[in-house]
Amino acid sequence: EIMLTQSPGTLPLSPGERATLSCRASQSVSSSYLAWFQQKPGQAPRLLIYGAFTRAAGIPDRFSGSGSGTDFTLTISRLEPEDFAVYYCQQYGTSPWTFGQGTKVQMK
Amino acid sequence: QVQLQESGPGLVKPSETLALSCAVSTYSTSSDYYWGWIRQPPGKGLEWIGSIFHNGNTYYTPSLKSRVTMSLDSSKTQFSLKLSSVTAADTAVYFCARSVSGSYHSPFLYWGQGTLVTVSS
Repeated sequence: EIMLTQSPGTLPLSPGERATLSCRASQSVSSSYLAWFQQKPGQAPRLLIYGAFTRAAGIPDRFSGSGSGTDFTLTISRLEPEDFAVYYCQQYGTSPWTFGQGTKVQMK
Repeated sequence: QVQLQESGPGLVKPSETLALSCAVSTYSTSSDYYWGWIRQPPGKGLEWIGSIFHNGNTYYTPSLKSRVTMSLDSSKTQFSLKLSSVTAADTAVYFCARSVSGSYHSPFLYWGQGTLVTVSS
């Protein structure tokens, strides 16, 4: 099973700042089958990025994904108030699909 | 826009079977997509339980495989999850979801709102 480790656990930032979230895999994620989700309290996860860098439909371009192999990054170029949430990475290249433990982006 | 809605008992006794359904609107479960279940214990992260393809092929996470059964309803408007011999560790919010595409390697794009299932006597 591929383990995903996200860092940092918590990221205190202010609106307008840039957020950089990391996801490291215990082994290479095949074909960059890596996704990022946003989750707000009491809501279902929302798919932001898949295939490491492809934005899902309707996702603002301030969200971008990069990386390959074992190291992936989600960048939010300028934080909007609605971006404060928990972010999860997920690999779907090798079964079982697995998620990271999450990074909470909170207001400083 | 696909809509999914989970339903089922919110309370299950230990050692019994958890049974949930997911109603799908706008799309048929015979459409070329993967339909899945994901759970999230209170205050914790996400765990993929398994997926079922429109042809009935199933894929389960190994840690739950001996206890999980997923199926498609003949109405083609819902699919279900059964998890047997539950314990308190199975207490979680259970989400149903649909994949982005019909590719095996496809994350979940559409999600239900989730339903909390508590295992307790």
